[in-house]
Amino acid sequence: GAVVSQHPSRVICKSGTSVKIECRSLDFQATTMFWYRQFPKQSLMLMATSNEGSKATYEQGVEKDKFLINHASLTLSTLTVTSAHPEDSSFYICSARDSAGGRNTEAFFGQGTRLTVV
Amino acid sequence: DAKTTQPPSMDCAEGRAANLPCNHSTISGNEYVYWYRQIHSQGPQYIIHGLKNNETNEMASLIITEDRKSSTLILPHATLRDTAVYYCIVRPYNNAGNMLTFGGGTRLMVKP
Repeated sequence: GAVVSQHPSRVICKSGTSVKIECRSLDFQATTMFWYRQFPKQSLMLMATSNEGSKATYEQGVEKDKFLINHASLTLSTLTVTSAHPEDSSFYICSARDSAGGRNTEAFFGQGTRLTVV
Repeated sequence: DAKTTQPPSMDCAEGRAANLPCNHSTISGNEYVYWYRQIHSQGPQYIIHGLKNNETNEMASLIITEDRKSSTLILPHATLRDTAVYYCIVRPYNNAGNMLTFGGGTRLMVKP
């Protein structure tokens, strides 16, 4: 099946620094990718929709200047957590769907990135 | 997207069938039922989806009631590796870019 690769799988950073997370679709093209965040014992919450070649669409309550999204190619989207704080510590997950797969193709998820801000 | 309701947790004996219910009484005609699972500290994994007919693949079977207001995911012979949170999601099929909205899911514990 289609594979979505997310990197890094785990990162620890100091408070105030920025962290970049990459999401790649390995064997298909995705004009749209999605970024989710998951806190312990909670479900996935959509943060933003990443659109290739245009600005991302953010969900209500998600700061676009703090969570920078770049979708420069059909196979790569990046999420940069800027000026990270301990409350940003979470499990970040990306998702992509094959643009050429038709209306009802399933979404594939990356393996997630565990961010710990100390 | 229509809201789904699932029991928060279930137990299943290893080797037995696991039947996970999902209520989606407000589902509309253009919405599919999708099932994903999430093993601890991993990204969600697609299992199966359907519109109105029952579906089966190598992982599971999906039984959708005739009125489409509920469905059941069946893992025919559960193993310890099937321990995960299972999410039932309904999504319209009219836009391939639509994101998935996750509810609380069912935490399935497969026991030896």
